[in-house]
Amino acid sequence: GQSLEQPSEVTAVEGAIVQINCTYQTSGFYGLSWYQQHDGGAPTFLSYNGLDGLEETGRFSSFLSRSDSYGYLLLQELQMKDSASYFCAVRSGSARQLTFGSGTQLTVLP
Amino acid sequence: DTAVSQTPKYLVTQMGNDKSIKCEQNLGHDTMYWYKQDSKKFLKIMFSYNNKELIINETVPNRFSPKSPDKAHLNLHINSLELGDSAVYFCASSLGTGLANEQFFGPGTRLTVL
Repeated sequence: GQSLEQPSEVTAVEGAIVQINCTYQTSGFYGLSWYQQHDGGAPTFLSYNGLDGLEETGRFSSFLSRSDSYGYLLLQELQMKDSASYFCAVRSGSARQLTFGSGTQLTVLP
Repeated sequence: DTAVSQTPKYLVTQMGNDKSIKCEQNLGHDTMYWYKQDSKKFLKIMFSYNNKELIINETVPNRFSPKSPDKAHLNLHINSLELGDSAVYFCASSLGTGLANEQFFGPGTRLTVL
């Protein structure tokens, strides 16, 4: 089966940088995705890493190391609106379905 | 111009009832999904259809039956509802099953079973 671990909560102040780590154990790994979900809202796609290295999209970056079964999401210049849950998800299995981690609740303080 | 829509948004019902949740996407995607998110925000895939064909059927009770009348619609019917079925159900879609294809989620249906 698959398992993913990420911190349950992270707190930071506006303007700071925060890193949310994700470690995974899975068979047939195809890539690591990150999704953001605000309270009461739907998950929205942030990034995908299929290969090792860093992917940058504006204030958000995502990193993957397949040899370490590890990835992280880096959020820079934090804003209040970044307060949300962040989920890492791996693509695995014969149908390459997404398996989500339990989510990290990010709270950005003024 | 909603991308993925679900109805109803809220559903409150009694144990033992049968209910359906409808999902429609206007993105032209050919793959659709149903996810269940429990009270601890754990998000788990239930089903996936690609071009109206079932491709993912996770360990879900037989009381749950998806139906895809066409590529733009994926409905979820639940028989004999139980207290443990209370959760938020999300429909999602993607363009194919490609590895990098992001999934677009609907707004969710909050099901409460009393």
